[in-house]
Amino acid sequence: KAGVTQTPRYLIKTRGQQVTLSCSPISGHRSVSWYQQTPGQGLQFLFEYFSETQRNKGNFPGRFSGRQFSNSRSEMNVSTLELGDSALYLCASSFAGGSTDTQYFGPGTRLTVL
Amino acid sequence: GNSVTQMEGPVTLSEEAFLTINCTYTATGYPSLFWYVQYPGEGLQLLLKATKADDKGSNKGFEATYRKETTSFHLEKGSVQVSDSAVYFCALYQAGTALIFGKGTTLSVSS
Repeated sequence: KAGVTQTPRYLIKTRGQQVTLSCSPISGHRSVSWYQQTPGQGLQFLFEYFSETQRNKGNFPGRFSGRQFSNSRSEMNVSTLELGDSALYLCASSFAGGSTDTQYFGPGTRLTVL
Repeated sequence: GNSVTQMEGPVTLSEEAFLTINCTYTATGYPSLFWYVQYPGEGLQLLLKATKADDKGSNKGFEATYRKETTSFHLEKGSVQVSDSAVYFCALYQAGTALIFGKGTTLSVSS
């Protein structure tokens, strides 16, 4: 079974631009979560989608948004990029996001904002 | 709120040494507990998990036991290898919330 895939793997943008990242979950998984990883803040939860609905949201500004499609693929968008948005963005999928579910992570998208 | 505290690194060991990475948590209710590993330039890989008190998760020689009385989930391995060099993250999860991670512990194993 194929794992979680994320595209692109690397991105370089400049301040003020916007960016869209894509995540394809493991086949059959309906829950997709996004995390931001930085050296200073570690791993922080952005949001979770389940059946095309945002089910949970972390403490990030409204510039960070996401969506999920009917095939469970998900995208996240960051508008008006800031230098501090430079990070590794990780997507994780699980079957349904239940209490005993395991989240499986993709390789991440490395975003650099100049 | 929920939180995870794990020992600060880096941890530097010689090959075949015994490894312990401490992890304690704070949570309401009964979370599931996880250890993830991250190799350089890669995403997170699930190493092991435990979903209820006294469960022992194990994989690739690593073990961790869910101790509710001490709110701990320490990671152990009897004999580390150079290939175990990576960053290890302890995490907890409760349905309706999100994975909460510790800061990560860097392990460096030399031959």
